[in-house]
Amino acid sequence: SQTIHQWPATLVQPVGSPLSLECTVEGTSNPNLYWYRQAAGRGLQLLFYSVGIGQISSEVPQNLSASRPQDRQFILSSKKLLLSDSGFYLCAWSLLQPGTLGATDTQYFGPGTRLTVL
Amino acid sequence: AQSVTQPDIHITVSEGASLELRCNYSYGATPYLFWYVQSPGQGLQLLLKYFSGDTLVQGIKGFEAEFKRSQSSFNLRKPSVHWSDAAEYFCAVGADSGGGADGLTFGKGTHLIIQP
Repeated sequence: SQTIHQWPATLVQPVGSPLSLECTVEGTSNPNLYWYRQAAGRGLQLLFYSVGIGQISSEVPQNLSASRPQDRQFILSSKKLLLSDSGFYLCAWSLLQPGTLGATDTQYFGPGTRLTVL
Repeated sequence: AQSVTQPDIHITVSEGASLELRCNYSYGATPYLFWYVQSPGQGLQLLLKYFSGDTLVQGIKGFEAEFKRSQSSFNLRKPSVHWSDAAEYFCAVGADSGGGADGLTFGKGTHLIIQP
């Protein structure tokens, strides 16, 4: 079965410091991968998604970036964190079913990383 | 662009009572609809989804949801809630992206409180 991991689980960083959050998926190949952010009292906001190695689409302009160096690895980074970057970061994966071109497949979420920027 | 509205920020229900969480969406074509549940400090767990076919879908943990195109709604229901159902519930809509892998659009969530 497929599993998705995120680390670290929690992180406290000072303003201006760099960031690297990692997400890995096991048990599947060529998944679609997603980064979401959940700010306090708000819903989930899609940040990035990737349909393959080296392919990143950004949904929201910001000081964050994403990379996919391997098929099942998705990394969220920042060179200099802002206070507004605090939140709960969720990684998700999906696998478009063969023969369902154009269909949105189900997304499965990781346990999340709680980031606090001070 | 699609959007999702969950009109109730908080709902309080007595244990054993029935539950209905509301979700309205805005999308020009046939939507793909999801309900997720999030326990405090945890990731999201899929409860159920609607892609096509029967408009009443069954999910895990005794939940069900009904897709009503005329009302642009996808309300979540459970006949009898348990204390363990206390959590945040998110409705989401996915778009037919023509072969892409677009992310989901989420509502802001409904916080469910269970009274003993």
